[in-house]
Amino acid sequence: QQQVKQSPQSLIVQKGGISIINCAYENTAFDYFPWYQQFPGKGPALLIAIRPDVSEKKEGRFTISFNKSAKQFSLHIMDSQPGDSATYFCAASGGEYSTLTFGKGTMLLVSP
Amino acid sequence: NAGVTQTPKFQVLKTGQSMTLQCAQDMNHEYMSWYRQDPGMGLRLIHYSVGAGITDQGEVPNGYNVSRSTTEDFPLRLLSAAPSQTSVYFCASRTSGVKEQYFGPGTRLTVT
Repeated sequence: QQQVKQSPQSLIVQKGGISIINCAYENTAFDYFPWYQQFPGKGPALLIAIRPDVSEKKEGRFTISFNKSAKQFSLHIMDSQPGDSATYFCAASGGEYSTLTFGKGTMLLVSP
Repeated sequence: NAGVTQTPKFQVLKTGQSMTLQCAQDMNHEYMSWYRQDPGMGLRLIHYSVGAGITDQGEVPNGYNVSRSTTEDFPLRLLSAAPSQTSVYFCASRTSGVKEQYFGPGTRLTVT
């Protein structure tokens, strides 16, 4: 049972464009929703995270939008740059020990 | 402050061999986890620990053993390696009360 569904699997965006990655979750006990960025050969690194008491969080060019009633959240990358080319994972956690459940990832390529 | 370190970086095993993947953190984090990453599958939790002497199973624990004798170290043991265990393994840690997880650089394991 996949608890966090992520789409699309891959995405090509032109430099300066907006990249949008979507995730949906099933478990209403989840209370923390991070996005991780991973470059080839590296471990995932936390990019931005949100809790369900807010609908949007912005950090620089990166924004998370959160829709609690629809159980969906998305990552928007404004003014996408070639250096943003990476794999992005959404995740969710909740419960006593807050282990992370990951989506399957989105490979983003920003063309120059 | 080295963060989360993993050794080795690469390893090739023959079917049936055993080995231990090492993970250490110097941030005094209580929580540590092991994930495996396979193409198109995201990161899946193998085992986790909420403190020295306390471990529990994640989503895909079969074929792996863990123990946590110190706060700093959380080794992952493969008792009898199988080709299905070919993957990239990531260790992560976080402190209690804070949900941000820090990932190590990973170990790429190939079982032939």
